[in-house]
Amino acid sequence: SYELTQPLSVSVALGQTARVTCGGINIGNKNVHWYQQKPGQAPVLVIYRDTNRPSGIPERFSGSNSGNAATLTISRAQAGDEADYYCQVGDNNIVVFGGGTKLTVL
Amino acid sequence: QVQLQESGPGLVKPSGTLSLTCTVSGGSISSSHWWGWIRQPPGKRLEWIGYIYYSGSTHYNPSLKSRVTMSVDTSMNQFSLKLSSVTALDTAVYYCARKGALAVAGIEYWGQGTLVTVSS
Repeated sequence: SYELTQPLSVSVALGQTARVTCGGINIGNKNVHWYQQKPGQAPVLVIYRDTNRPSGIPERFSGSNSGNAATLTISRAQAGDEADYYCQVGDNNIVVFGGGTKLTVL
Repeated sequence: QVQLQESGPGLVKPSGTLSLTCTVSGGSISSSHWWGWIRQPPGKRLEWIGYIYYSGSTHYNPSLKSRVTMSVDTSMNQFSLKLSSVTALDTAVYYCARKGALAVAGIEYWGQGTLVTVSS
């Protein structure tokens, strides 16, 4: 089965840029979605199909995908961005989530 | 605005069957979307359980397929999950959700989640 690998944690200074990676074999050929999950809350879709932002998601959130890694980039990080972030792909009608990355804003 | 709400017992005995229902409001379950269940054990990652279409077509996680049954009730605008032969490992927050219309879409809407504990 297809596997997605994320770092357990990423730290970023307030106002700086955070990058969360999601590794997978030839993931650049797949559509990657990213979710933000704050404690005690349901996940929220922040990036879909690699680079697209749903309505209501700040422009500070962006995504890229190439080769064996997809990246979620959060510019001008704010305290409210502190959360767990999950990548997700669909692979032959099966949904696969990454292990999640805890983003800490210092 | 589509809203989803999970309902069902919060406690299930080991070897029993977990049963949950998701009620959809603000949209029709007969629209061109897949409806699904995702779970998250305490402190762990998200795990996809499966999707169902209003026609009854399903896709299940291979690791759970032998124990999972999903169904849809278009008259009630609801869909349901049954997970049999549960153990403590099935203790989790269970979310119902709606996938976007495109085949390659992400999960656009989530319920608030409901904690199901498997314990005697």
